Amino acid sequence: EAQVTQNPRYLITVTGKKLTVTCSQNMNHEYMSWYRQDPGLGLRQIYYSMNVEVTDKGDVPEGYKVSRKEKRNFPLILESPSPNQTSLYFCASSWTGGNGYTFGSGTRLTVV
Amino acid sequence: GQQLNQSPQSMFIQEGEDVSMNCTSSSIFNTWLWYKQDPGEGPVLLIALYKAGELTSNGRLTAQFGITRKDSFLNISASIPSDVGIYFCAGQPGGADGLTFGKGTHLIIQP
Repeated sequence: EAQVTQNPRYLITVTGKKLTVTCSQNMNHEYMSWYRQDPGLGLRQIYYSMNVEVTDKGDVPEGYKVSRKEKRNFPLILESPSPNQTSLYFCASSWTGGNGYTFGSGTRLTVV
Repeated sequence: GQQLNQSPQSMFIQEGEDVSMNCTSSSIFNTWLWYKQDPGEGPVLLIALYKAGELTSNGRLTAQFGITRKDSFLNISASIPSDVGIYFCAGQPGGADGLTFGKGTHLIIQP
């Protein structure tokens, strides 16, 4: 089944403790992206990647890092999480930059 | 980044009613997309529009790409309980650009 898999689905962590949210897609998509969703603000792009070893900042990149060493994986790294990064995070992939994104099921992160 | 103005923010309607929502932008987009998000899940693509003036249907859903390329609307006819959710519009300026999302329209249906 074609899908985008994120892990974990839920995560509670403490301020400053580094964490990684994994994202993997099995559709051989070139384009992958991370979004955060907050009440009243919709979906905001954090980082995106056009292909392996090519990443770029989205609208809200501060406090996040990404890497794209393999086509299928696009992990999101929070080196020193803070409470304002408490949010619902979605990974998405597509053949090109916009046509028919496939989204993962989300990761709900709470930073205390 | 670019912004999309999506309205209304929320809708409370009776089952069987028609629904209409729209998105506007201050800049031009070459692609408009409409997504639906169910509780606890990621957004799922409903309709994709690639040409100014294009009108596309998917069952009871109809969406149009505005002539000016700065707006789009989504209509849902004869709403049913499973239509409940958050609907997002998304625009893409060009083929290599990422998507910009509207803030969503929360649809609530009263039986």
